[in-house]
Amino acid sequence: DVKVTQSSRYLVKRTGEKVFLECVQDMDHENMFWYRQDPGLGLRLIYFSYDVKMKEKGDIPEGYSVSREKKERFSLILESASTNQTSMYLCASSSYRAASTDTQYFGPGTRLTVL
Amino acid sequence: DAKTTQPPSMDCAEGRAANLPCNHSTISGNEYVYWYRQIHSQGPQYIIHGLKNNETNEMASLIITEDRKSSTLILPHATLRDTAVYYCIVRVKFYNNNDMRFGAGTRLTVKP
Repeated sequence: DVKVTQSSRYLVKRTGEKVFLECVQDMDHENMFWYRQDPGLGLRLIYFSYDVKMKEKGDIPEGYSVSREKKERFSLILESASTNQTSMYLCASSSYRAASTDTQYFGPGTRLTVL
Repeated sequence: DAKTTQPPSMDCAEGRAANLPCNHSTISGNEYVYWYRQIHSQGPQYIIHGLKNNETNEMASLIITEDRKSSTLILPHATLRDTAVYYCIVRVKFYNNNDMRFGAGTRLTVKP
């Protein structure tokens, strides 16, 4: 089974802090994604990566950056956390190999609260 | 633009089949129908997908109408653990990583 793990289930940070959210997948997937989920707004894509050191902006990249130094690991960075970044953050991975179903496998989520 | 329309909520009795509809009247010929679900406080989970033929796996069946403008996800014997929000998504396979649009979905409540 595909496993996507996220470093924390719950996180509380203060405004202005630098925040790192880590995601690791064990299926050698090429693609990795970061979403945030807010009530009434559904899932919104922040950034994705289709290869090591590659990144693409999603719908709401402002205030975030990402890092993909290794294939299995994709980090989301909040350079200076703000209260409007309080949300559930979800990481996902998928493969673009021909035999793949092109489905995304999600981690359990990190609920971040910024005070 | 919303590509899919789903009822906001449904109830189902435990042990009965749950039939979740999805309308996708503007679906293109190369777009697949994917279903995911999200159990409270967890990440979304892939269930099944299809192009035009009916599909079945260990979790569910997917019935797509001949004109492909709608589909139904069937959970044959719903259990309490199937209580979740179910999302229907249409997208072109392998085309665009920025196209997973989770709408509001259908909140399915399985009752004892």
